[in-house]
Amino acid sequence: SAVISQKPSRDICQRGTSLTIQCQVDSQVTMMFWYRQQPGQSLTLIATANQGSEATYESGFVIDKFPISRPNLTFSTLTVSNMSPEDSSIYLCSVGSGAYEQYFGPGTRLTVT
Amino acid sequence: AQKITQTQPGMFVQEKEAVTLDCTYDTSDQSYGLFWYKQPSSGEMIFLIYQGSYDEQNATEGRYSLNFQKARKSANLVISASQLGDSAMYFCAMREGRGDYKLSFGAGTTVTVRA
Repeated sequence: SAVISQKPSRDICQRGTSLTIQCQVDSQVTMMFWYRQQPGQSLTLIATANQGSEATYESGFVIDKFPISRPNLTFSTLTVSNMSPEDSSIYLCSVGSGAYEQYFGPGTRLTVT
Repeated sequence: AQKITQTQPGMFVQEKEAVTLDCTYDTSDQSYGLFWYKQPSSGEMIFLIYQGSYDEQNATEGRYSLNFQKARKSANLVISASQLGDSAMYFCAMREGRGDYKLSFGAGTTVTVRA
């Protein structure tokens, strides 16, 4: 299984600021995804991070709010821009290296005050 | 429409007993995959078990087994011999089609194991 790390593991940010979350995988993977988990809720897919092209966003999520980079097959970043308290969530990256393999990073716990 | 339905928000189980977590799904694809994850209070998502739509046998991984009933579109997780460390949130998820690995998640079920 892939080993995935995320930085930071948690942060407390002020409204109106931005935070960039990093996701690093120990092997090359085709698919990388970013999910959001709001307090007490399930996971919702934000976008698919495509290597060498723009990310593919799910309904309700836009590039201006959640810009994503994927410079290579082992690394991606998600930025949460112009934050508000409603952005307080756990943000998780995941990788899919096969149809039956989907692993998650440890998550970034974000609190916006 | 909900793609994944988990109707049990919370369950209590006695240590060493088995527990079944329900999951039903909705898809028109012939090729799909079903996943179960465990999320302890730390927030990490731990992969437990996978069942492919073409798999004829139910998946098993240690104390975890998946009761796959394709005609009923259900994929229930069975945890045998529950341990205190099994107390967590459990999510059922589905991947639809081929080549697109993104997952749709159910609402989750909280399991509390009692000593």
